[in-house]
Amino acid sequence: DTGVSQDPRHKITKRGQNVTFRCDPISEHNRLYWYRQTLGQGPEFLTYFQNEAQLEKSRLLSDRFSAERPKGSFSTLEIQRTEQGDSAMYLCASSFGLGALQNTGELFFGEGSRLTVL
Amino acid sequence: DQQVKQNSPSLSVQEGRISILNCDYTNSMFDYFLWYKKYPAEGPTFLISISSIKDKNEDGRFTVFLNKSAKHLSLHIVPSQPGDSAVYFCAARSYHSNYQLIWGAGTKLIIKP
Repeated sequence: DTGVSQDPRHKITKRGQNVTFRCDPISEHNRLYWYRQTLGQGPEFLTYFQNEAQLEKSRLLSDRFSAERPKGSFSTLEIQRTEQGDSAMYLCASSFGLGALQNTGELFFGEGSRLTVL
Repeated sequence: DQQVKQNSPSLSVQEGRISILNCDYTNSMFDYFLWYKKYPAEGPTFLISISSIKDKNEDGRFTVFLNKSAKHLSLHIVPSQPGDSAVYFCAARSYHSNYQLIWGAGTKLIIKP
């Protein structure tokens, strides 16, 4: 098992362009999370899937952000009309659990996709 | 409103000595606390956790202590090794956050040879 993989590792784009990040979780994990991290801060929760269902979205996730996990395996995070404030590291994590109380917080993270908006 | 605070941005410790990383929280409803470790250019990796019904959990060189009355937890690393140099994040969950993790800003630990 190669762990959680994210692609691309680094994306530089101009303001106003759309970008898409992909995450491949650990194969037996049913839960997938997207986080955003800026310099000097801890990760901030964006959204969470259990299988293909998007169960929760943070207030941070504006309508320019959309995430999908169509077949309950890989996930994509798209940012439309990027702004300079979107520059951050976007982290994907996965875990296995069957209920909220089973979410003890042990997440397996990918290496992240760094977005730079010029 | 920062519910989980790591007030020391960095900490320098001599190899072989004890490293103590601190974390304070404000939400008394947190029921699970975790420490993650992050190397540059890598994602965070889980290190150790503790339930709110316990006051100590130990795993090898790593021990986490929880003081609920003070809303404080700490991570002790004994003895500290050069490979422990990393950023350490404290995180917590509660029913009110739908059990999603709330993270501190991290403390950069530097182990000096």
